Amino acid sequence: AQKITQTQPGMFVQEKEAVTLDCTYDTSDQSYGLFWYKQPSSGEMIFLIYQGSYDEQNATEGRYSLNFQKARKSANLVISASQLGDSAMYFCAMREGRGGNNRKLIWGLGTSLAVNP
Amino acid sequence: GAGVSQSPSNKVTEKGKDVELRCDPISGHTALYWYRQSLGQGLEFLIYFQGNSAPDKSGLPSDRFSAERTGGSVSTLTIQRTQQEDSAVYLCASSLVTGAQHFGDGTRLSIL
Repeated sequence: AQKITQTQPGMFVQEKEAVTLDCTYDTSDQSYGLFWYKQPSSGEMIFLIYQGSYDEQNATEGRYSLNFQKARKSANLVISASQLGDSAMYFCAMREGRGGNNRKLIWGLGTSLAVNP
Repeated sequence: GAGVSQSPSNKVTEKGKDVELRCDPISGHTALYWYRQSLGQGLEFLIYFQGNSAPDKSGLPSDRFSAERTGGSVSTLTIQRTQQEDSAVYLCASSLVTGAQHFGDGTRLSIL
């Protein structure tokens, strides 16, 4: 069955340092997509970064990069040069398949990140 | 507006009442999703609309929950005979056929 596991309920990082948030997934599909979203205390869900299962390069978006290790079924999010505004919940999610009608996301339980000044 | 719009932002109602939650997706997005997020939890998929295809209703928790999408745009999620366990934040998202889902700010539903 499809499953996303985020093993770190809470993380702390010092401002300006890098932090890695873990995500492992379970799927029997060869084609899938992995997403990271940020949810600040205000509640909105903000898309950060996407990695397709067939993408050969690790995805990067500004200070965010995704450490994709397909054989280990992990898709860890790396935030470089942490800022106070990075304090939020971070969710990893997976979508199976590249086409078709089943495009729902399966979500992990999230990691709460606190950036200390 | 440029983003997904949800209304109301907050709804408090008594147990047993019906509620309607509205979602106005990003213009041009053909896919629309409803999720539920309980306190301290991840998101739970409820229902997904894609164009004129039959919706994927596999996440609806009971027959008290229903949703429709009129004209391929605005969607309404209806909860009948609300129960206290229905209290949650209901999030709507939209997307193109491919690409990331973009979320609204949610409706915080409280059942007394």
